[in-house]
Amino acid sequence: GIQVEQSPPDLILQEGANSTLRCNFSDSVNNLQWFHQNPWGQLINLFYIPSGTKQNGRLSATTVATERYSLLYISSSQTTDSGVYFCAVGGSQGNLIFGKGTKLSVKP
Amino acid sequence: NAGVTQTPKFQVLKTGQSMTLQCAQDMNHNSMYWYRQDPGMGLRLIYYSASEGTTDKGEVPNGYNVSRLNKREFSLRLESAAPSQTSVYFCASRWWFGFGAQPQHFGDGTRLSIL
Repeated sequence: GIQVEQSPPDLILQEGANSTLRCNFSDSVNNLQWFHQNPWGQLINLFYIPSGTKQNGRLSATTVATERYSLLYISSSQTTDSGVYFCAVGGSQGNLIFGKGTKLSVKP
Repeated sequence: NAGVTQTPKFQVLKTGQSMTLQCAQDMNHNSMYWYRQDPGMGLRLIYYSASEGTTDKGEVPNGYNVSRLNKREFSLRLESAAPSQTSVYFCASRWWFGFGAQPQHFGDGTRLSIL
């Protein structure tokens, strides 16, 4: 099956810093989503981005499907950005296959 | 707009007890999914229902059963709970016809502890 690898596994930032999270996947996909899991455990949809680039405020994402990777950019980080960021790609059953996540801690 | 609603939000069971986790979506999606999330892990697929009237096993189906009650509702049942089933359970839905791509929408999760 498709493998999804995220890096780095852990990231500690000072408030105001920028960061890039990476997601590599082992096969071509037609669905890729980025999620933020907040400290209360809720999964927040950030981007649906099987290819191309999207931006939403301080967050942006780029997927290069031909090279099998996606990047999530966080600019001017805030303490509320803390949590776990998951990349998930489409499986053959219409499901999502998740990476293990990047745990982000933003210090004031 | 409720989206995907899961009940209950928290539950504590004793080993051997049974319970049903409920999930309902109001987006008229055809496909629904149950995942579990264990500490330090991403979500793993338990069961899914590609359309009303069909259900299939995912990656980790042992110890679970599901029912697609109608287009809106998809329940997950633990017949005899075991400590290994302590986890956070997420329900999701989407439009899916075997091709193409649409985003999945997730509920807020059910936190289940089995003693």
